[in-house]
Amino acid sequence: QKEVEQDPGPLSVPEGAIVSLNCTYSNSAFQYFMWYRQYSRKGPELLMYTYSSGNKEDGRFTAQVDKSSKYISLFIRDSQPSDSATYLCAIHEATDSWGKLQFGAGTQVVVTP
Amino acid sequence: GAVVSQHPSWVICKSGTSVKIECRSLDFQATTMFWYRQFPKQSLMLMATSNEGSKATYEQGVEKDKFLINHASLTLSTLTVTSAHPEDSSFYICSARRQASTDTQYFGPGTRLTVL
Repeated sequence: QKEVEQDPGPLSVPEGAIVSLNCTYSNSAFQYFMWYRQYSRKGPELLMYTYSSGNKEDGRFTAQVDKSSKYISLFIRDSQPSDSATYLCAIHEATDSWGKLQFGAGTQVVVTP
Repeated sequence: GAVVSQHPSWVICKSGTSVKIECRSLDFQATTMFWYRQFPKQSLMLMATSNEGSKATYEQGVEKDKFLINHASLTLSTLTVTSAHPEDSSFYICSARRQASTDTQYFGPGTRLTVL
């Protein structure tokens, strides 16, 4: 079993809809949670970074962490065709001084006009 | 802030030659840099972790003599693919992390390597 599970999709939504993405993890030592967006043939771009349970909002993006359930989510409101990309969750342990990330498989999102 | 660049963005080489890829942190000092490779429609696979001035730590299954990593300064790390073969063709991405222990990784734009 992988340490971080993420449905690879693809997830297709109409423009304007809410995109809902999630990951589950198995290691309770994970303390830092990130969401990256990756366009085709580009490097991942950091979208959200949080280290506590609860919600964090940034513009149209909301990251949610539930440590008790080992479940993290990313919501994209008012989705646009430019949001079409692969979204990767990434997590690392507090005790890992190098900050090595454990990645989910990535969910491909397609927003149709 | 936290911009990472890679050079070249793409390279085509003949089998048996060596290729060097540079990774630079442009606006911060990176105590730790990471090298990943990514195959189409797959997630990132960590190859190695390097700290400035130290030898890189390679993940299991990654040949350290084939993928040479040098982290000579706080803003530059290089990956050299030695004696490249077609199976080394892939998308190579670096990332850099600032000194703060709570900081995360910032990724470069990637380098597409094609070995003929």
